Amino acid sequence: AQSVTQLGSHVSVSEGALVLLRCNYSSSVPPYLFWYVQYPNQGLQLLLKYTSAATLVKGINGFEAEFKKSETSFHLTKPSAHMSDAAEYFCAVSGSARQLTFGSGTQLTVLP
Amino acid sequence: GAVVSQHPSRVICKSGTSVKIECRSLDFQATTMFWYRQFPKQSLMLMATSNEGSKATYEQGVEKDKFLINHASLTLSTLTVTSAHPEDSSFYICSASTLRQGSQFFGPGTRLTVL
Repeated sequence: AQSVTQLGSHVSVSEGALVLLRCNYSSSVPPYLFWYVQYPNQGLQLLLKYTSAATLVKGINGFEAEFKKSETSFHLTKPSAHMSDAAEYFCAVSGSARQLTFGSGTQLTVLP
Repeated sequence: GAVVSQHPSRVICKSGTSVKIECRSLDFQATTMFWYRQFPKQSLMLMATSNEGSKATYEQGVEKDKFLINHASLTLSTLTVTSAHPEDSSFYICSASTLRQGSQFFGPGTRLTVL
C-alpha cells in the first residue's frame, strides 16, 4: 500500500523567491514518485517523475525534486518563483500496479 | 506526444438523466485508462481502472452500476454516470498509460453539474 502526505495545503512565496513544496511518502515496494501541476479547471500536467534512476530529478519549467529514501521524502523545489507558477501541485506515488495515489495537494500563491 | 482528450469539457444535466464522458488517447495506444473524481479544493480520487477489452476494476465505495466504464478500444474509454443526482456533480478526469511508458497522461477533465 502507498500513501502520500503533502505538508502545507497553502504556500505563498514572493516572485523570485525559492519555492519548496514538501512531500513525504509511504510505500511497501520501491516507489515511483511524481509531481503534477493543475491549473484551474484543467487536468494534471506532469512536472517530473522519479523511477529509481538519479535521485535528483529535473522537470519542466525549472522545477526539480530530490528523492531521499532515508527521509521518505520527495520535495519539489524551484530556485526562483514566477507568477505563472501559481497553481495547485500534487505529489503522487505509484507501486507495481501503476495506480497513482495522490497527496492532498498544495496551492502555491506567488506574490508580486 | 502523449495527448489525452476528454469530451465534453462541461456538461449540465437534470437529475435522473445519464451522462457519457469520453476519454481518448490521441497519439498513442492506451492499454490502461484510469478514471478519477475531484471535488472542489480536494485531491483526485481514483474511481476505477480499465484495461482494454476487459471489465473495469472499481475502487472500494464506487458503485459500478452507477458509473459504467467501457474501454472498447486502445484509444477510447467512456464513463457513463447513470441516473445522475446533484451529489454526482464533480470534476471527472481520465488518464491513460501504456505498459511501456508506465506514466499516466491526464485529460483536461470534465465538469459535471447535475441540477
